[in-house]
Parts: sequence; structure tokens; C-alpha cells
Amino acid sequence: SAVISQKPSRDICQRGTSLTIQCQVDSQVTMMFWYRQQPGQSLTLIATANQGSEATYESGFVIDKFPISRPNLTFSTLTVSNMSPEDSSIYLCSVYTDTQYFGPGTRLTVL
Amino acid sequence: AQKVTQAQTEISVVEKEDVTLDCVYETRDTTYYLFWYKQPPSGELVFLIRRNSFDEQNEISGRYSWNFQKSTSSFNFTITASQVVDSAVYFCALSPSGNSGYALNFGKGTSLLVTP
Repeated sequence: SAVISQKPSRDICQRGTSLTIQCQVDSQVTMMFWYRQQPGQSLTLIATANQGSEATYESGFVIDKFPISRPNLTFSTLTVSNMSPEDSSIYLCSVYTDTQYFGPGTRLTVL
Repeated sequence: AQKVTQAQTEISVVEKEDVTLDCVYETRDTTYYLFWYKQPPSGELVFLIRRNSFDEQNEISGRYSWNFQKSTSSFNFTITASQVVDSAVYFCALSPSGNSGYALNFGKGTSLLVTP
């Protein structure tokens, strides 16, 4: 199993600013995943983050908008840059141990 | 490419009724995993089950049961004697199998409302 924490749990931000979301896992994991869930929608993969290498982004997501850091095997950050109201979503990190586990999510509102 | 279809957008039942949530998938992988997650109003994703494509046995866990039929590419989820606390959005998901883990492809989810 894995216990995942995310900070902040929620935030309200102004258009044009940036927010960095932290994801901490209680065990060392090779791969971490970042997902976005827009209001009333399903989860969409943003990127896969391996420790020691650059993140791999899915179609429609770019590093300039969603830079990711993965400094060690238990921690990752996702930054949402130059935010607009369309970025209002829940952002979730996920890891694989014996199965796929998800953090509690960061609920972001952009005004 | 992988695809998961949950055709039921919303389901409403009265407490104690049985309810089945449908999930149909498409994949070219010969081995894969299927998942079900529950997302209550609080927003966190709660892991319910993972099924390996090699294992077609149905599974029962308390009031929950899952019917995996490879022949029809379906992995349906039944809640017996539903309760108000079962109200949530339920997601079916699919990934390739492997030791290192892969990202999940999610269906659009089925919103279940159980009323007293």
C-alpha cells in the first residue's frame, strides 16, 4: 500500500499567477503520475514523473504550463503556471506500489 | 490505444436496491489490469479492486461484487442492498500490466445516488 499526502488541499488563485502542488509518499516509488480532473469530468493524465529524468507529458499538456519536479523517490511537485479559470480543477498525484493509489487531491479555483 | 466506456452517466436507486454499474473496455494489450474506484463527494479516490486480465473469476467483497467477462470486454460492478453511503461517482479504469506500473485510462464515471 501507499499513503500519499498533497499540499495544499485547496486554493483559490488569481488569474496569471502560479501554484505549486506538492505530493509526498510514505515509501519510495519509481513512478509518480499527475492527473487533472476538471469539474464534473473524469481524470486525465497530465504527465508521468520518474526520479532522475524529465517528466513525460501527455498530448495537450506542456512543460511550460505544468512544470514537474521529482527530486527523490518519495516527493514530486506540479506547478500550474500562468493560471486561467480553465485551470480550475482537482489535481491528483498517484503512485504504483502493489496497485495504483491516489492522493487526496488539490482543489484549485482560479478567479 | 485503450478505451473505457461507462455508458451510465447517472443512476438513482432507493436504499436496499441492488445496482449494477457497467464498464466496457477496449485494448490491444494481451495482458492488462482493470480497476474500480469510488469518488465520494469529498473528492478523494478510493481504490476498490484491481483485476488481472488472466483472472476471470468473479469476486465478492461484502456487498460489492465484480463480474469480469473477457469475451464481452466487460467488467461490471454490482452493489447489493445499496446504502446511502454508497452515493458517489464510480470510475472504471484500465492499464497495461507490469511490475513498474502504468498510468490509468479512466471511463467518464457513473454517478450513483442512493436515496433513503
